[in-house]
Amino acid sequence: SQKIEQNSEALNIQEGKTATLTCNYTNYSPAYLQWYRQDPGRGPVFLLLIRENEKEKRKERLKVTFDTTLKQSLFHITASQPADSATYLCALYSGGYQKVTFGTGTKLQVIP
Amino acid sequence: DAGVIQSPRHEVTEMGQEVTLRCKPISGHNSLFWYRQTMMRGLELLIYFNNNVPIDDSGMPEDRFSAKMPNASFSTLKIQPSEPRDSAVYFCASISGVASETQYFGPGTRLLVL
Repeated sequence: SQKIEQNSEALNIQEGKTATLTCNYTNYSPAYLQWYRQDPGRGPVFLLLIRENEKEKRKERLKVTFDTTLKQSLFHITASQPADSATYLCALYSGGYQKVTFGTGTKLQVIP
Repeated sequence: DAGVIQSPRHEVTEMGQEVTLRCKPISGHNSLFWYRQTMMRGLELLIYFNNNVPIDDSGMPEDRFSAKMPNASFSTLKIQPSEPRDSAVYFCASISGVASETQYFGPGTRLLVL
């Protein structure tokens, strides 16, 4: 069966360091992968999208990599700030009328 | 734009009661999604509509759940009768196009069934 796994444990890092979050998937051939941020009591907010033929995508302090051979995406936040503390969700989409499937999320805590 | 609007924001009800959740998608968006989020299962897709037509309802847990989209600007998710295990946060999201673009989520409805 299709499965998406993210770091199940919360990730605590020191302010200024780079946070790296992982999204692994099995039995899936995604056309693209998205990363969302979710704050407590709010809906997820889109951050970045990377397509299957792209290796890397950047947006300001955010970087996403996509390795279809390893079936893995890495999400990096450089120069992390306490305001980056949130839950980050990855989501995979296979194409056409297939649904987007979300991972369970990783909670990031940036410590001042 | 006001974004995706959901109501109510919080709902507390007793087991057996009917619950109706409402969603207004972003104007011009033609696909709408209903999700349920719990700590144990994460964000699960319940149903999605394209041009007001249900495309995939395989995530609807059972016959107690039903969803409608009578027009492009309104959708409802109904649970009848509600059970304590339905307690969760229910999100509505919309996109312009097929299920291939960025989803814009509403603030969610936090449902507690006692």
